[in-house]
Amino acid sequence: EAQVTQNPRYLITVTGKKLTVTCSQNMNHEYMSWYRQDPGLGLRQIYYSMNVEVTDKGDVPEGYKVSRKEKRNFPLILESPSPNQTSLYFCASSFSRGQETQYFGPGTRLLVL
Amino acid sequence: AQKITQTQPGMFVQEKEAVTLDCTYDTSDQSYGLFWYKQPSSGEMIFLIYQGSYDEQNATEGRYSLNFQKARKSANLVISASQLGDSAMYFCAMGLFGNEKLTFGTGTRLTIIP
Repeated sequence: EAQVTQNPRYLITVTGKKLTVTCSQNMNHEYMSWYRQDPGLGLRQIYYSMNVEVTDKGDVPEGYKVSRKEKRNFPLILESPSPNQTSLYFCASSFSRGQETQYFGPGTRLLVL
Repeated sequence: AQKITQTQPGMFVQEKEAVTLDCTYDTSDQSYGLFWYKQPSSGEMIFLIYQGSYDEQNATEGRYSLNFQKARKSANLVISASQLGDSAMYFCAMGLFGNEKLTFGTGTRLTIIP
């Protein structure tokens, strides 16, 4: 089954404790992206990757890191989480840019205390 | 910069009625795609329909159709014969050809009343 998976689905952590949210897709997509969703703001892009070892910042990259060492995986790293990073996070992937739908993972709900 | 505007924070619609969710966009690019996603209470993002800026006909997918008015820069989603399962948050989004980002609107929460 073609899908994007994210782990964990739910996470409660404390300020400053490093965490990683994993994202994996089995569709051989080149393009992958991370979004965060906050009430009243819709989804905003954090980082994206056009291919292995190619990443770039989105609209709200502060406080996040990413890496793309393999085509299928695109982890999101929070080196020192803060309460304002409490959010719903989505990973997405697609074959091409702009004109093709992105397939979304199930989302990760993060609470930073 | 691209911008998507969804002016209806919430809507209540009687079951079996048709519903139109509004979306306007702003871009100076000529090549772009418009998307609608559904987000039920469980949280996942479900792709509904896509319209390319060069597509001459309005996109349709089952009960979903996209009313694309390029001159007005609007891309409204029409759901025919609404069902209780249509109750969800709906997001309009735009992607530019050759760009890596989808720009999302703030969403419309649709509630279908039995």
